[in-house]
Amino acid sequence: RKEVEQDPGPFNVPEGATVAFNCTYSNSASQSFFWYRQDCRKEPKLLMSVYSSGNEDGRFTAQLNRASQYISLLIRDSKLSDSATYLCAVKTGTGGFKTIFGAGTRLFVKA
Amino acid sequence: DTEVTQTPKHLVMGMTNKKSLKCEQHMGHRAMYWYKQKAKKPPELMFVYSYEKLSINESVPSRFSPECPNSSLLNLHLHALQPEDSALYLCASSQDGPATNTDTQYFGPGTRLTVL
Repeated sequence: RKEVEQDPGPFNVPEGATVAFNCTYSNSASQSFFWYRQDCRKEPKLLMSVYSSGNEDGRFTAQLNRASQYISLLIRDSKLSDSATYLCAVKTGTGGFKTIFGAGTRLFVKA
Repeated sequence: DTEVTQTPKHLVMGMTNKKSLKCEQHMGHRAMYWYKQKAKKPPELMFVYSYEKLSINESVPSRFSPECPNSSLLNLHLHALQPEDSALYLCASSQDGPATNTDTQYFGPGTRLTVL
């Protein structure tokens, strides 16, 4: 089993739709969780950190479920500019924390 | 400002060449990272420097040699690479590093490397 798993998609949604991505992680001792956005041939850019209480930034909401070991990202009112690959990242390990990235979920928002 | 810069943006090299990738940040971050990313794959960690000392080496072949001249600079020296080493090489930095479990990493734009 991979340490961090995501549904690769692609997700094809119309503008204005709500879309949700999940990401599961295998190490129950993982402490920090992040969502990154990566455009084609560009670097990953931090979208948001994920906190136990959940957090929201405009149209984006991130949730953490420790019991089931997954994090989620909800995008409301999708825009064309939201089209990208969304990577979840989990900081995990002992004696030196490493950030493990999921394979990414591709999102296409269409007019 | 969360800017990490990398040079060059693109690099084409032969298998017998020696080249170097450079990364710089001026955010006062004490940890810097090298990742390798192949197409449609996630970034894979190669090396971590924390407070200018190598703290993590993910069993990377010796043809890749990292160097951290100071807290703002990170180099990756390349020698005798193989075509399968062609990838996007990403540098990242974070405030504290692998000893801290809540650290956020910021990425540079990457160097797209092609080995012929």
